[in-house]
Amino acid sequence: DAGVTQSPTHLIKTRGQHVTLRCSPISGHKSVSWYQQVLGQGPQFIFQYYEKEERGRGNFPDRFSARQFPNYSSELNVNALLLGDSALYLCASSLIAGGRETQYFGPGTRLLVL
Amino acid sequence: AQRVTQPEKLLSVFKGAPVELKCNYSYSGSPELFWYVQYSRQRLQLLLRHISRESIKGFTADLNKGETSFHLKKPFAQEEDSAMYYCALNHGSSNTGKLIFGQGTTLQVKP
Repeated sequence: DAGVTQSPTHLIKTRGQHVTLRCSPISGHKSVSWYQQVLGQGPQFIFQYYEKEERGRGNFPDRFSARQFPNYSSELNVNALLLGDSALYLCASSLIAGGRETQYFGPGTRLLVL
Repeated sequence: AQRVTQPEKLLSVFKGAPVELKCNYSYSGSPELFWYVQYSRQRLQLLLRHISRESIKGFTADLNKGETSFHLKKPFAQEEDSAMYYCALNHGSSNTGKLIFGQGTTLQVKP
């Protein structure tokens, strides 16, 4: 199993543009979470989806949106990009076993907004 | 507000020395605490969780609710322990999966 995969690995955009980031979870995992990691900081929670429904949302503006597909893959969309959106975007898929949830992280997509 | 604080950005020790990476949290309920590790050029991965009460790669962490701490300890550091360590909190509601991370501590183990 390749683990959680994300695409693209790197992306350069300009202010005002729109971006779509993609995530494929580990086979059998039905939940996907998105995090933003700014340089020098820990990851910050953006969204979680479970069975195609939003289950949690962090403190991010409406420019950020996401969805989950029937195959449990997910997209994160960011509109009207700002310089401050430059960050590493992490996707994590999770499995719930024995009442515990363990999140497995992908390698991330590094977004640079110029 | 829920918060995780890792007061040290960098911890540098010699091989064989004891290590303690500090983590304090702010949460009113019953939290679930984790330590994640990121080795150079690798993805973030779970090291241990407080519920399991296990030792992974010689590391242990005990949840101290009185001091709201979850410090990570290892009696004898190895060079391969050099990495970025993140303490994280899940607010404990079932199946929400929202992890709150600290800022991270870089552990540097010198030969």
